[in-house]
Amino acid sequence: GAVVSQHPSWVICKSGTSVKIECRSLDFQATTMFWYRQFPKQSLMLMATSNEGSKATYEQGVEKDKFLINHASLTLSTLTVTSAHPEDSSFYICSARVGFRGLYNEQFFGPGTRLTVL
Amino acid sequence: GEDVEQSLFLSVREGDSSVINCTYTDSSSTYLYWYKQEPGAGLQLLTYIFSNMDMKQDQRLTVLLNKKDKHLSLRIADTQTGDSAIYFCAESTSGTYKYIFGTGTRLKVLA
Repeated sequence: GAVVSQHPSWVICKSGTSVKIECRSLDFQATTMFWYRQFPKQSLMLMATSNEGSKATYEQGVEKDKFLINHASLTLSTLTVTSAHPEDSSFYICSARVGFRGLYNEQFFGPGTRLTVL
Repeated sequence: GEDVEQSLFLSVREGDSSVINCTYTDSSSTYLYWYKQEPGAGLQLLTYIFSNMDMKQDQRLTVLLNKKDKHLSLRIADTQTGDSAIYFCAESTSGTYKYIFGTGTRLKVLA
């Protein structure tokens, strides 16, 4: 149990276009979802925290108008990279948290989406 | 702000033990985790420890926590080639739900 999926796993787009990445909790309801960004050979940096039905909370330095997050249901959160540029190329990982199952703070991670902007 | 540091690389021979170290600055950390990331993949939770524990053993994995020094280690016994990956420690504080990840340690196991 506690599986998180992401779609697509890999996307290439042209500069200036927008890209949507989906994060789904497959067998549980996620009270909170998180979006991370990972540059090559670097650690995961938290971008934003997303609670179902409310606005996402962005970390300092993350442009909320560029990285749009929608958490429409307890099993789906989407990250849209708007007007993508080559510097947005990265590995984006989502995670989901269940407050009443397993560890209180445990997050379950998706497999990641590799975005390449040409 | 909170900071979590790890050594970048570790190379061991198959069958030896590996010890990956992590230091953190947030004294209010409640939970500490070890994750494994294989190339191009997401994160797999290996083990975790609560801040009121000193040690936890789970099969080949042993976690040691020195809360006074804010030092966490992961020992992998009988390291195998399949253990080659990047290992991240992470900490979180009760009530915040946010994880702060370490810089990651790339473990290479030589046959």
